[in-house]
Amino acid sequence: EVQLLESGGGRVQPGGSLRLSCVVSGFTFNTYAMSWVRQAPGKGLECVSLISGSGDTTDYTDSVKGRFTISRDNSKKTLYLQMNTLRAEDTALYYCVKLKQQLVGYSFYGMDVWGQGTTVTVSS
Amino acid sequence: QSVLTQPPSVSATPGQKVTISCSGSSSNIGNNYVSWYQQLPGTAPKLLIYENNKRHSGIPDRISGSKSGTSATLDITGLQTGDEADYYCGTWDSSLSDVLFGGGTKVTVL
Repeated sequence: EVQLLESGGGRVQPGGSLRLSCVVSGFTFNTYAMSWVRQAPGKGLECVSLISGSGDTTDYTDSVKGRFTISRDNSKKTLYLQMNTLRAEDTALYYCVKLKQQLVGYSFYGMDVWGQGTTVTVSS
Repeated sequence: QSVLTQPPSVSATPGQKVTISCSGSSSNIGNNYVSWYQQLPGTAPKLLIYENNKRHSGIPDRISGSKSGTSATLDITGLQTGDEADYYCGTWDSSLSDVLFGGGTKVTVL
C-alpha cells in the first residue's frame, strides 16, 4: 500500500522556522517527483514546491522563493520542506504529494497520492 | 484570484449530471495536460482524472474529463450524495513555471 506520512507541523511565531518531513512507503521513491501542496483554512490548493525524482531539479511558487527549501533523501525515502522567515499567510495544511512523473519543470501529469497533511500555524 | 477559473458552485439532484468548467489560457491549459481532484469534506484531495481525460485507478466511468482549446471540463453523471465535495482542476503553466490549481468548485446534491 502506498503511504505518505507527514510530520513537523506546529505553531510558530512570525519570522520563525519549521521543517516538515514526509516518510513514504509502497513505491520506488527515487523514480517519482514529489511536491508540497498547501491549503489555507477555507481556501483552495496551492502548489508550494516541486522536486524531481533524483532531487536535482526544484521549483517554488513565487511567494516562498528564498524562504522555503525542498529536499529529499532517497535512501531514507523521505521528503523535506525547510520553511524559514515564516509569515502569517503561510498558515495552512501542508500536504506531501506524489507526482505521476519523474521530472519537473516542463509539464505536469497529475498528483496521484496525497498524505493526510500537517498543520502549520504562524501567529504571535 | 486564480489564473484558472472555475465556477464557485454547481448543484443538481441525485441521478442528474453536473459539468464543472476550468478556463485558462494558452500558457497553461492550452498547451498542457489537465488533471482533476475531488476533496471530500475534511479529507485530502484525491486524483480523479489525469492527462485531460484518463481516469485514475478505481474512478467510475460516470466521471469523465475533456479539454478543448484553453478550457477543460469535468462531467459527473448519475450524481450521488457521496459526490458532494470540492473539485479542483490543475495544470502546468509554461510562463509561470508553476503547477496551478483552479479556485475549486463545490458540488451540492440537492
